Amino acid sequence: DAKTTQPTSMDCAEGRAANLPCNHSTISGNEYVYWYRQIHSQGPQYIIHGLKNNETNEMASLIITEDRKSSTLILPHATLRDTAVYYCIVLGLGGATNKLIFGTGTLLAVQP
Amino acid sequence: SAVISQKPSRDICQRGTSLTIQCQVDSQVTMMFWYRQQPGQSLTLIATANQGSEATYESGFVIDKFPISRPNLTFSTLTVSNMSPEDSSIYLCSVADSKYEQYFGPGTRLTVT
Repeated sequence: DAKTTQPTSMDCAEGRAANLPCNHSTISGNEYVYWYRQIHSQGPQYIIHGLKNNETNEMASLIITEDRKSSTLILPHATLRDTAVYYCIVLGLGGATNKLIFGTGTLLAVQP
Repeated sequence: SAVISQKPSRDICQRGTSLTIQCQVDSQVTMMFWYRQQPGQSLTLIATANQGSEATYESGFVIDKFPISRPNLTFSTLTVSNMSPEDSSIYLCSVADSKYEQYFGPGTRLTVT
């Protein structure tokens, strides 16, 4: 699976949009981009995933560049409860197992 | 989404002993995984628990140290054997459904003294 690069930490003001970048320059054509987050002392939580097109759900939006070498997770109106470590993971589906390999992630601190 | 429970939620164990962690899912799932999260670190995949056959271990993890069972599609156990303080971690199980979204349990916080 392709590796990802994320900033170590970011700050965001409460109520503003949080934009979390991720580089995955070696991504293959059949690999998806997944985002998870881990709030302190909890198990990781699935947020969103996409292949080529931009995706939106009730939690966030995922913007993938046309060359698929990078993506941005957008939390439209960040709240204090969004403070967490956010993981960007590239995963090729259809193999024997779809195992997630976690990097170091981005610690997002939402400030009041 | 699947609801996952783990037992125990936390434990303090003496070195040299073993602890078995249980993972129960409220629905049948295709894949189950076990992860470890050492203090201040990211998650590391230990193994894929295969129903009806031996687990598939990642590099650096062996069956003698982390035996895994998966007797059916809703249950799995991970045993941490002959524990040392370096095994102090949070152990998490996760499951994947047909939509390839993975869900994680709340974790078991293990401290080895």
